[in-house]
Amino acid sequence: AQTVTQSQPEMSVQEAETVTLSCTYDTSENNYYLFWYKQPPSRQMILVIRQEAYKQQNATENRFSVNFQKAAKSFSLKISDSQLGDTAMYFCAFMKGFSGSARQLTFGSGTQLTVLP
Amino acid sequence: DVKVTQSSRYLVKRTGEKVFLECVQDMDHENMFWYRQDPGLGLRLIYFSYDVKMKEKGDIPEGYSVSREKKERFSLILESASTNQTSMYLCASTPLQTGSSEQYFGPGTRLTVT
Repeated sequence: AQTVTQSQPEMSVQEAETVTLSCTYDTSENNYYLFWYKQPPSRQMILVIRQEAYKQQNATENRFSVNFQKAAKSFSLKISDSQLGDTAMYFCAFMKGFSGSARQLTFGSGTQLTVLP
Repeated sequence: DVKVTQSSRYLVKRTGEKVFLECVQDMDHENMFWYRQDPGLGLRLIYFSYDVKMKEKGDIPEGYSVSREKKERFSLILESASTNQTSMYLCASTPLQTGSSEQYFGPGTRLTVT
């Protein structure tokens, strides 16, 4: 079974600053995917960024980037130039590589990020 | 855009009632999921379905059942609601394909059982 650990229940950052959210995971799989999802207050969960484990290059999406350390089983999210709209709960999630029809996610406990004006 | 809708944003039920939570997606996705979200625990998978009339248990299926009679609709059923089922319930869908396909989430139903 897979486990995903987010050790920072809450974080805050000043607007325009950079913040890093931590995530570690445990798995015996070699083929898998990692995700960061964002859940703004009273709004739907949306995908922020994804990483394929077989890719060595870290994924980036505009102000969002990851630091994927496969050997250390670490997958942190860096948010640059933080904006007020980044205030949300952030979830790290794991998915095994394609295996029949099973495509379920295993989530961490979440990090509540508050961007301060 | 993919749209996943849930029948209610807020729901209050009494202990022992039978509760139905409905989820509909409009993108012809094969896979659908029900999660519950609790503070400090993240999202935990209750049940999922990869085809009509097909279902599989997730990590916490006790006290719940599901129904998928049509591809676009996936229902979560609480046979006899209990106070420990007070939670936020999220539905999600994703297509049946290889690769890192994301899950698309509904807005959630906050259920309170009194």
